[in-house]
Amino acid sequence: QVQLQQWGAGLLKPSETLSLTCDVYGGSFIGYYWSWIRQRPGTGLEWVGEINYSGTRDYNPSLKSRVTISVDTSKKQFSLKLTSVTAADTAVYYCARGRVAAAPVYWGQGTLVTVSS
Amino acid sequence: DIVMTQSPESLAVSLGERATINCKSSQSVLYSSNNKDYLAWYQQKPGQPPKLLIYWASTRESGVPDRFSGSGSGTDFTLTISSLQAEDVAVYYCHQYYSPPRTFGQGTKLEIK
Repeated sequence: QVQLQQWGAGLLKPSETLSLTCDVYGGSFIGYYWSWIRQRPGTGLEWVGEINYSGTRDYNPSLKSRVTISVDTSKKQFSLKLTSVTAADTAVYYCARGRVAAAPVYWGQGTLVTVSS
Repeated sequence: DIVMTQSPESLAVSLGERATINCKSSQSVLYSSNNKDYLAWYQQKPGQPPKLLIYWASTRESGVPDRFSGSGSGTDFTLTISSLQAEDVAVYYCHQYYSPPRTFGQGTKLEIK
């Protein structure tokens, strides 16, 4: 049974860096797509980016200059950093792992990140 | 970017009746080398992460009730709930995982009439 447990700061000031980590329990850590997806209040799902089994990273073009996704296989966790946040980055952030190509199958519980001065 | 457009935006259906949600992609998500459509459907209930229902456009995820089915290929897809149950009230999203940036439809809110 694969479980993802995410954690990180939930309240940031404008210009700070968002940092979230997702711990992975169960299943192999190798050979999958690892994604971050966010959901602004009252809106739909927005793909932030992913890192795949070969280490290739892809990011949403609207965030590309500010986002970094990394994996630490020794700790069985993957992370998201988003720099220079603004109120527009306020959202619930989800980590997710694929099983069927890049389609997210297993999801973290979500972390509400609020950006406010 | 591949734009995913769902219709309708909201839908009210009586218990036991059929619910149909459509999704159209701005370009084909059919990968010719394996003849698979890189299209998934998710269900999201308030306060919960999305739950995978369907992948490869028509393959039901393990544990998903068989009243849920997916169809379509190329650019036009449909999610059908054959007999609506109260627990199916949720927002439904289509998602293309054909190429980055991966994209989602805007969501369809399904309610009981």
